[in-house]
Amino acid sequence: QKEVEQDPGPLSVPEGAIVSLNCTYSNSAFQYFMWYRQYSRKGPELLMYTYSSGNKEDGRFTAQVDKSSKYISLFIRDSQPSDSATYLCAIYSGGGADGLTFGKGTHLIIQP
Amino acid sequence: EPEVTQTPSHQVTQMGQEVILRCVPISNHLYFYWYRQILGQKVEFLVSFYNNEISEKSEIFDDQFSVERPDGSNFTLKIRSTKLEDSAMYFCASSPTGRGQPQHFGDGTRLSIL
Repeated sequence: QKEVEQDPGPLSVPEGAIVSLNCTYSNSAFQYFMWYRQYSRKGPELLMYTYSSGNKEDGRFTAQVDKSSKYISLFIRDSQPSDSATYLCAIYSGGGADGLTFGKGTHLIIQP
Repeated sequence: EPEVTQTPSHQVTQMGQEVILRCVPISNHLYFYWYRQILGQKVEFLVSFYNNEISEKSEIFDDQFSVERPDGSNFTLKIRSTKLEDSAMYFCASSPTGRGQPQHFGDGTRLSIL
């Protein structure tokens, strides 16, 4: 069973739309949840970090975690063409582990 | 804003040769990591490093890989005898206090094995 699942897309939406990006995970031990944005030929850039169920907002971005359903989401309001990138969810399991477990990423295209 | 820097951006090496990838983590960070991303696949954890020793390694990080912090600023990944399947993007990351804290990534080194 894959640990972190993410629809690879591409997801294409018009400028100004609300975007919803999602990940599911299988391991209930996962504790910390991150969203990264990755532009072509660049490294992952940290967008959001949360460790509890519920919502966390930062500007146009909202991260949502539902631990009971093992489901995390990233919402982007007022989407801009510059938001076009691949969005990666990354989860940290805690305990003795150090490494993040990544989803495959969703390729997002914002049409001007 | 402080950032993780990696050199070179692209490395081309013949199969069987040794390669060293270099990283300068964010200066006040204590934990350092290497990840790789094979084209079209997920970012995968290789190894973490804290207090001048390996903290954790994945099953990918076999005997052909090694890491070192040769001085106060650099963090290196060495692949001893490269294989074709080592072709990938290699990302260095650092975090201020380790487990559970957000990790900040460099822009990676694209390693091409011929």
